[in-house]
This record gives sequence, structure tokens and C-alpha cells, in this order.
Amino acid sequence: QKEVEQDPGPLSVPEGAIVSLNCTYSNSAFQYFMWYRQYSRKGPELLMYTYSSGNKEDGRFTAQVDKSSKYISLFIRDSQPSDSATYLCAMGFRGYQKVTFGTGTKLQVIP
Amino acid sequence: GAVVSQHPSRVICKSGTSVKIECRSLDFQATTMFWYRQFPKQSLMLMATSNEGSKATYEQGVEKDKFLINHASLTLSTLTVTSAHPEDSSFYICSARDAQRGDTGELFFGEGSRLTVL
Repeated sequence: QKEVEQDPGPLSVPEGAIVSLNCTYSNSAFQYFMWYRQYSRKGPELLMYTYSSGNKEDGRFTAQVDKSSKYISLFIRDSQPSDSATYLCAMGFRGYQKVTFGTGTKLQVIP
Repeated sequence: GAVVSQHPSRVICKSGTSVKIECRSLDFQATTMFWYRQFPKQSLMLMATSNEGSKATYEQGVEKDKFLINHASLTLSTLTVTSAHPEDSSFYICSARDAQRGDTGELFFGEGSRLTVL
């Protein structure tokens, strides 16, 4: 079993839809969680960073963490064609420098 | 967010030559930088952890003599692919963590370097 599981997609949605991206993890020691967006042939761009259960909102993006279920989500409201990219979840814990990444979900927002 | 600059963004070289890729943190100091390799449609594969002033820590299966890493300052790490071969062709990405934020700080990525070995 992988430490972090993420559906690779692709996920296709119409413009304006609410997108839900998810990751599950097996290591309950993870303490902080990140979501990255990666456009084709570019480096990942940090979207959200959180270290506690609950919701964190930034513009059209909401990151949700449920530590009891070992499940994290990223919601994108009013999705735009420019949101089309691969979204990677990542997580880590104190005292350990390395971060564990999901495989990424490819999202396509259709105009 | 913090800026990590990676250079060159694209490089083509002949088989047998060596290629150096630079990773710079522009507005913060990074005691630790990470080097990844990414194959098409796949996630990031951690190659090594680069620590300023000390030897890099390589992941299992990564040849340290082939992928030389130097982290000479708090803002610069370099990856040298020695005696490159076509199978080394890939997308190489570095990331860095703000030293002031400790080991739970956000990880920022460079733009990546696409290496093509002919």
C-alpha cells in the first residue's frame, strides 16, 4: 500500500463547476499537508498549506483535512479553463525533512 | 510565495557529456534543497536531499557518482549529471524550504529543467 493514494484521473469538468480533488494516506504521523498545481512542463506551484484538521480557504480554493479519516481534499469553486493542470497532494511531519507526494490528478476544465 | 529559480530550463547534450543544473532560492535562505526527477505523466521521484555545507543524502537506487550534488551556499544547490546517456533524459526539478520556517515550512519548487541526451 502506498503511503499516499491519489486518483490520477483525468478529471474533466465544465467551466464553472466545483471540483473536488482528494488524497488518502496511511501514515497517521503526517502533520502538515500541501496542495500543488503543476502545468505541463513546469515546476509545481504551491497552492495551499495547512497543518490542522478543518478547512482553509484562499480565494476559489478550499483545502480540507480530516486527520481522523486520513483524508484530504482540495475544492475549486467556479473552475476556469486556466485551472486545467495536474494537482499534487503532499504531506510531511516534523523532524523529517522529506515530503511524500501523491501521484497527481490531471484536471481538465472545458470551456 | 518564495521564489526558487532553476537554470537552465532546457538543455540538449550529446551522450557522454556532463550537464550542470542550478537551483537558487532568490528571497530566502535554504539549508535544505531537494532534487526530483519526473517522467512523463508520473509524479515526482525524490533523488536526493541536499544540505548546505555537507554531503547530499541520496535515495535508494540513485547513483551518487552519476548525479553529483553540491550545496555550497544557503541559496544555491547544483546537480551535475555526469557522462549523460539517453536514459538520463528527463525533467529535473529542485525544491527548497525556507530555513527560518524549520522542517515544517512550505516547500517551493523551481521551474524544472528538461534534459535531452542525444
